[in-house]
Amino acid sequence: QSVLTQPPSVSGAPGQRVTISCTGSSSNIGAGYDVHWYQQLPGTAPKLLIYVNNNRPSGVPDRFSGSKSGTSASLAITGLQAEDEADYYCQSYDSSLSVVVFGGGTKLTVL
Amino acid sequence: EVQLVESGGGLVKPGGSLRLSCAVSGLTFSNAWMSWVRQAPGKGLEWVGLIKSKTDGGATDYAAPVKGRFTISRDDSDNTLYLQMNSLKTEDTSLYYCTTVIRGGYNFWFDPWGQGALVTVSS
Repeated sequence: QSVLTQPPSVSGAPGQRVTISCTGSSSNIGAGYDVHWYQQLPGTAPKLLIYVNNNRPSGVPDRFSGSKSGTSASLAITGLQAEDEADYYCQSYDSSLSVVVFGGGTKLTVL
Repeated sequence: EVQLVESGGGLVKPGGSLRLSCAVSGLTFSNAWMSWVRQAPGKGLEWVGLIKSKTDGGATDYAAPVKGRFTISRDDSDNTLYLQMNSLKTEDTSLYYCTTVIRGGYNFWFDPWGQGALVTVSS
Protein backbone atom coordinates (compact mmCIF):
# COMPACT_ATOMS: atom_id res chain seq x y z
CA GLN A 1 0.00 0.00 0.00
CA SER A 2 1.70 3.20 -1.18
CA VAL A 3 1.54 6.43 0.81
CA LEU A 4 0.65 8.23 -2.43
CA THR A 5 -2.30 6.70 -4.27
CA GLN A 6 -2.43 6.51 -8.05
CA PRO A 7 -4.91 4.68 -10.29
CA PRO A 8 -3.35 1.42 -11.49
CA SER A 9 -4.18 2.16 -15.10
CA VAL A 10 -5.55 4.77 -17.48
CA SER A 11 -6.07 4.69 -21.21
CA GLY A 12 -6.85 6.98 -24.09
CA ALA A 13 -6.91 7.14 -27.84
CA PRO A 14 -4.24 8.97 -29.84
CA GLY A 15 -4.81 12.71 -29.73
CA GLN A 16 -6.90 12.58 -26.57
CA ARG A 17 -6.17 14.05 -23.14
CA VAL A 18 -5.66 11.90 -20.07
CA THR A 19 -4.99 12.74 -16.46
CA ILE A 20 -3.31 10.72 -13.73
CA SER A 21 -4.10 11.56 -10.13
CA CYS A 22 -1.81 11.27 -7.12
CA THR A 23 -3.58 11.46 -3.77
CA GLY A 24 -1.66 12.02 -0.56
CA SER A 25 -2.38 13.32 2.90
CA SER A 26 -1.67 16.12 5.36
CA SER A 27 1.80 14.74 6.08
CA ASN A 28 3.04 14.85 2.50
CA ILE A 29 1.37 16.74 -0.36
CA GLY A 30 -1.02 18.50 2.02
CA ALA A 31 1.90 19.61 4.19
CA GLY A 32 3.27 21.61 1.28
CA TYR A 33 5.83 19.17 -0.08
CA ASP A 34 6.17 19.36 -3.81
CA VAL A 35 5.22 16.59 -6.22
CA HIS A 36 7.42 15.26 -8.98
CA TRP A 37 6.56 12.89 -11.80
CA TYR A 38 8.56 10.23 -13.60
CA GLN A 39 7.95 8.36 -16.83
CA GLN A 40 9.20 4.80 -17.17
CA LEU A 41 9.07 3.44 -20.69
CA PRO A 42 9.01 -0.37 -20.98
CA GLY A 43 12.34 -1.92 -20.06
CA THR A 44 14.02 1.38 -19.22
CA ALA A 45 14.97 3.42 -16.17
CA PRO A 46 12.61 6.11 -14.86
CA LYS A 47 13.02 9.56 -16.34
CA LEU A 48 12.12 12.85 -14.65
CA LEU A 49 9.03 14.27 -16.36
CA ILE A 50 7.77 17.06 -14.08
CA TYR A 51 9.47 18.59 -11.05
CA VAL A 52 8.16 20.89 -8.35
CA ASN A 53 4.53 20.31 -9.30
CA ASN A 54 4.45 21.89 -12.74
CA ASN A 55 7.94 22.35 -14.18
CA ARG A 56 9.22 20.48 -17.23
CA PRO A 57 12.90 19.59 -17.62
CA SER A 58 14.49 20.58 -20.88
CA GLY A 59 13.40 18.24 -23.65
CA VAL A 60 10.04 17.23 -22.16
CA PRO A 61 7.21 18.22 -24.55
CA ASP A 62 4.69 20.77 -23.36
CA ARG A 63 2.00 18.12 -23.88
CA PHE A 64 2.91 17.09 -20.33
CA SER A 65 1.79 19.30 -17.45
CA GLY A 66 1.41 18.97 -13.71
CA SER A 67 -0.71 20.57 -11.05
CA LYS A 68 -1.14 20.36 -7.30
CA SER A 69 -4.02 21.29 -5.02
CA GLY A 70 -4.60 20.45 -1.39
CA THR A 71 -3.57 16.86 -0.72
CA SER A 72 -3.52 15.82 -4.40
CA ALA A 73 -1.63 16.34 -7.61
CA SER A 74 -2.29 15.51 -11.23
CA LEU A 75 -0.35 14.83 -14.38
CA ALA A 76 -2.07 15.73 -17.64
CA ILE A 77 -1.03 14.51 -21.06
CA THR A 78 -2.62 16.13 -24.09
CA GLY A 79 -2.38 15.07 -27.72
CA LEU A 80 -1.73 11.47 -26.64
CA GLN A 81 0.83 9.62 -28.75
CA ALA A 82 1.71 5.94 -28.97
CA GLU A 83 5.17 6.71 -27.55
CA ASP A 84 3.55 7.96 -24.33
CA GLU A 85 2.62 4.39 -23.39
CA ALA A 86 4.54 3.89 -20.16
CA ASP A 87 4.30 3.71 -16.38
CA TYR A 88 4.03 7.02 -14.55
CA TYR A 89 5.00 7.62 -10.92
CA CYS A 90 4.45 10.57 -8.60
CA GLN A 91 6.91 11.30 -5.78
CA SER A 92 6.96 13.54 -2.74
CA TYR A 93 8.23 13.59 0.84
CA ASP A 94 6.36 12.48 3.94
CA SER A 95 7.15 14.37 7.13
CA SER A 96 5.62 11.91 9.58
CA LEU A 97 7.51 8.96 8.07
CA SER A 98 10.56 11.14 7.26
CA VAL A 99 11.05 9.39 3.95
CA VAL A 100 10.75 9.96 0.25
CA VAL A 101 7.51 8.43 -1.00
CA PHE A 102 6.42 7.26 -4.41
CA GLY A 103 2.97 6.53 -5.75
CA GLY A 104 2.25 2.96 -6.77
CA GLY A 105 2.48 3.86 -10.45
CA THR A 106 -0.04 4.18 -13.26
CA LYS A 107 0.17 2.25 -16.50
CA LEU A 108 -0.90 4.38 -19.45
CA THR A 109 -2.22 2.48 -22.44
CA VAL A 110 -2.65 4.27 -25.77
CA LEU A 111 -5.53 2.54 -27.52
CA GLU B 1 25.95 14.82 -19.96
CA VAL B 2 25.57 13.18 -16.56
CA GLN B 3 25.99 9.41 -16.65
CA LEU B 4 25.46 6.87 -13.88
CA VAL B 5 26.50 3.26 -14.38
CA GLU B 6 25.64 0.65 -11.77
CA SER B 7 27.49 -2.63 -11.34
CA GLY B 8 27.83 -5.46 -8.86
CA GLY B 9 24.41 -7.03 -9.09
CA GLY B 10 23.89 -10.77 -9.01
CA LEU B 11 22.41 -13.80 -7.29
CA VAL B 12 22.91 -14.14 -3.54
CA LYS B 13 21.48 -16.46 -0.92
CA PRO B 14 19.24 -15.20 1.89
CA GLY B 15 21.38 -13.84 4.69
CA GLY B 16 24.21 -13.04 2.29
CA SER B 17 25.85 -9.76 1.33
CA LEU B 18 26.43 -7.84 -1.86
CA ARG B 19 27.92 -4.45 -2.73
CA LEU B 20 26.66 -2.35 -5.62
CA SER B 21 28.72 0.39 -7.21
CA CYS B 22 27.61 3.38 -9.25
CA ALA B 23 30.21 5.18 -11.38
CA VAL B 24 29.24 8.80 -11.93
CA SER B 25 30.50 11.18 -14.60
CA GLY B 26 29.50 14.52 -16.04
CA LEU B 27 29.01 16.39 -12.77
CA THR B 28 31.00 17.52 -9.74
CA PHE B 29 30.38 14.35 -7.79
CA SER B 30 31.75 15.67 -4.51
CA ASN B 31 29.01 18.33 -4.43
CA ALA B 32 26.18 15.91 -5.29
CA TRP B 33 23.69 14.25 -3.01
CA MET B 34 23.07 10.72 -4.24
CA SER B 35 20.37 8.15 -3.72
CA TRP B 36 19.39 4.56 -4.38
CA VAL B 37 15.88 3.60 -5.49
CA ARG B 38 14.77 0.02 -6.10
CA GLN B 39 12.06 -1.68 -8.09
CA ALA B 40 10.95 -5.25 -7.41
CA PRO B 41 10.00 -7.28 -10.50
CA GLY B 42 6.69 -6.01 -11.86
CA LYS B 43 6.31 -3.56 -8.96
CA GLY B 44 6.65 0.16 -8.35
CA LEU B 45 9.52 2.36 -7.21
CA GLU B 46 10.75 2.27 -3.62
CA TRP B 47 13.23 4.72 -2.14
CA VAL B 48 16.14 2.97 -0.41
CA GLY B 49 18.26 5.80 0.98
CA LEU B 50 20.49 8.75 0.28
CA ILE B 51 23.85 10.25 1.14
CA LYS B 52 24.57 13.95 1.37
CA SER B 53 27.71 15.56 0.04
CA LYS B 54 30.61 15.83 2.49
CA THR B 55 30.31 19.61 2.39
CA ASP B 56 26.73 19.21 3.62
CA GLY B 57 27.85 16.82 6.35
CA GLY B 58 27.87 13.52 4.46
CA ALA B 59 24.98 12.09 6.48
CA THR B 60 22.97 9.13 5.27
CA ASP B 61 19.27 8.33 5.57
CA TYR B 62 17.47 5.07 4.91
CA ALA B 63 14.02 3.67 4.39
CA ALA B 64 12.71 1.57 7.26
CA PRO B 65 12.86 -1.81 5.44
CA VAL B 66 16.65 -1.53 4.90
CA LYS B 67 17.77 0.46 7.94
CA GLY B 68 20.46 -1.39 9.86
CA ARG B 69 21.15 -3.77 6.97
CA PHE B 70 22.14 -1.48 4.08
CA THR B 71 24.89 1.15 4.07
CA ILE B 72 25.38 3.88 1.49
CA SER B 73 28.86 5.34 1.09
CA ARG B 74 30.79 7.38 -1.41
CA ASP B 75 34.32 7.78 -2.73
CA ASP B 76 34.64 11.33 -4.00
CA SER B 77 38.18 10.67 -5.25
CA ASP B 78 36.79 8.01 -7.60
CA ASN B 79 33.35 9.52 -8.32
CA THR B 80 31.71 6.34 -7.10
CA LEU B 81 28.63 5.64 -4.99
CA TYR B 82 28.23 2.38 -3.12
CA LEU B 83 25.41 0.37 -1.59
CA GLN B 84 26.54 -2.32 0.85
CA MET B 85 23.69 -4.78 1.42
CA ASN B 86 23.93 -7.23 4.33
CA SER B 87 21.51 -9.78 5.78
CA LEU B 88 19.72 -9.89 2.46
CA LYS B 89 16.14 -11.16 2.34
CA THR B 90 14.15 -12.56 -0.56
CA GLU B 91 12.05 -9.39 -0.51
CA ASP B 92 15.17 -7.36 -1.36
CA THR B 93 15.10 -8.87 -4.85
CA SER B 94 14.92 -5.80 -7.09
CA LEU B 95 16.49 -3.70 -9.77
CA TYR B 96 18.53 -1.10 -7.90
CA TYR B 97 18.86 2.34 -9.48
CA CYS B 98 21.48 4.92 -8.64
CA THR B 99 20.25 8.49 -9.02
CA THR B 100 21.32 12.06 -8.38
CA VAL B 101 19.32 14.06 -5.86
CA ILE B 102 18.19 17.51 -6.98
CA ARG B 103 17.28 19.79 -4.08
CA GLY B 104 14.93 22.74 -3.80
CA GLY B 105 14.20 24.02 -0.31
CA TYR B 106 12.77 21.16 1.73
CA ASN B 107 12.01 19.19 -1.39
CA PHE B 108 14.11 16.91 -3.52
CA TRP B 109 13.71 14.83 -6.60
CA PHE B 110 15.80 12.50 -8.73
CA ASP B 111 17.52 13.14 -12.04
CA PRO B 112 19.10 11.43 -13.85
CA TRP B 113 18.94 7.68 -13.16
CA GLY B 114 21.31 4.86 -14.01
CA GLN B 115 20.21 1.80 -15.92
CA GLY B 116 19.94 -0.30 -12.77
CA ALA B 117 21.64 -3.35 -11.27
CA LEU B 118 19.61 -6.50 -10.68
CA VAL B 119 19.88 -8.15 -7.28
CA THR B 120 18.25 -11.55 -6.85
CA VAL B 121 18.04 -13.06 -3.38
CA SER B 122 17.18 -16.73 -3.58
CA SER B 123 18.28 -20.04 -2.16
